[in-house]
Amino acid sequence: KAGVTQTPRYLIKTRGQQVTLSCSPISGHRSVSWYQQTPGQGLQFLFEYFSETQRNKGNFPGRFSGRQFSNSRSEMNVSTLELGDSALYLCASTEVASGGYGYTFGSGTRLTVV
Amino acid sequence: QQQVKQSPQSLIVQKGGISIINCAYENTAFDYFPWYQQFPGKGPALLIAIRPDVSEKKEGRFTISFNKSAKQFSLHIMDSQPGDSATYFCAASMRGGADGLTFGKGTHLIIQP
Repeated sequence: KAGVTQTPRYLIKTRGQQVTLSCSPISGHRSVSWYQQTPGQGLQFLFEYFSETQRNKGNFPGRFSGRQFSNSRSEMNVSTLELGDSALYLCASTEVASGGYGYTFGSGTRLTVV
Repeated sequence: QQQVKQSPQSLIVQKGGISIINCAYENTAFDYFPWYQQFPGKGPALLIAIRPDVSEKKEGRFTISFNKSAKQFSLHIMDSQPGDSATYFCAASMRGGADGLTFGKGTHLIIQP
């Protein structure tokens, strides 16, 4: 069974640009959550999607958005990039919306903003 | 507001020793407490988890101890091995809730051979 796949693995962007990250969940998993990991703030919840609906969003500005498609694949978008957006972005999938229970994480997308 | 506090930040243990990492939480509505292990270049992987209705859970060399009244829980790694060298995160959530996991800041564990 394939794991959670995140693409691309690495990304370098310039301040002010926008970026889209992709996450393909484990087959049969309908819930996808996104987290930002930085050395200073650790792992922080961005948002959770289940059946194409955003269940909740963490304490992040409106520049951070996401969506989920009918095949459960998810994308997150960051507009008007800032240097502080440099981070490892992780997605996790579960069979149902679970509040974090049973997460399987992908290996992440390392975003560097210059 | 940091709802899950983890200590120590870093830990060095000799091979064969016991590694102990502690976490404290504030939100009494949390009812799911997992520990994750992360190697460089990889995402976190679930190691072991506990619900607040039990005080201890053991899986192989890994044990979670849970103290509901003190709002604390800890991870014990018995017979620590160099392959256990990684970053460990405790977390908490309301199972079924919509706020995801609240993570501790992590402990960088090094097992010296």
